[in-house]
Amino acid sequence: QKEVEQNSGPLSVPEGAIASLNCTYSDRGSQSFFWYRQYSGKSPELIMFIYSNGDKEDGRFTAQLNKASQYVSLLIRDSQPSDSATYLCAVASYGNKLVFGAGTILRVKS
Amino acid sequence: GAVVSQHPSWVICKSGTSVKIECRSLDFQATTMFWYRQFPKQSLMLMATSNEGSKATYEQGVEKDKFLINHASLTLSTLTVTSAHPEDSSFYICSARRRPSTDTQYFGPGTRLTVL
Repeated sequence: QKEVEQNSGPLSVPEGAIASLNCTYSDRGSQSFFWYRQYSGKSPELIMFIYSNGDKEDGRFTAQLNKASQYVSLLIRDSQPSDSATYLCAVASYGNKLVFGAGTILRVKS
Repeated sequence: GAVVSQHPSWVICKSGTSVKIECRSLDFQATTMFWYRQFPKQSLMLMATSNEGSKATYEQGVEKDKFLINHASLTLSTLTVTSAHPEDSSFYICSARRRPSTDTQYFGPGTRLTVL
């Protein structure tokens, strides 16, 4: 059974702070890792994907992958109230379907 | 870009009727499309995987005769909820995977189905 685990939260951070979202996965054969953002009542929106160990930065977002520890994280710098949403971690082995975590609720307080 | 559309965005129907939901990839060809269902405050649940020109693969517990999927072209997949009942009321979301194949899925905006 392939599993993806996330802390459900809510994770509360003040505006301007760094939000750190974490995810662990069970399938060592996983090759692709994704972070999606989902606002209430809306569909998921792709934020970032990462394939290789290390960090990948895109604007205020940084994804970090450690395959040895089976761990992927998302850092959001200078958090804004508009970042308040549920963040979904998803993992795939090449060509296979995505396995989603249950999501972490992030609340950024102004 | 990678834009996926769904139609309709919401639908209300009477119990026993059938509802068809369309999912289109607007600016790319999709080798594979996926159909998810999401109940309030719950995570996404994959219903089925749809490949162009072949039969859909359904997840365990999903009735293939109730949720009919057709993937007629590289840009269009349809989900038909047959003989809908109130318990089928949910948020249905499709996603599409680009061709050539990658793992990245792009989601449509979703269809909110309410069965009275």
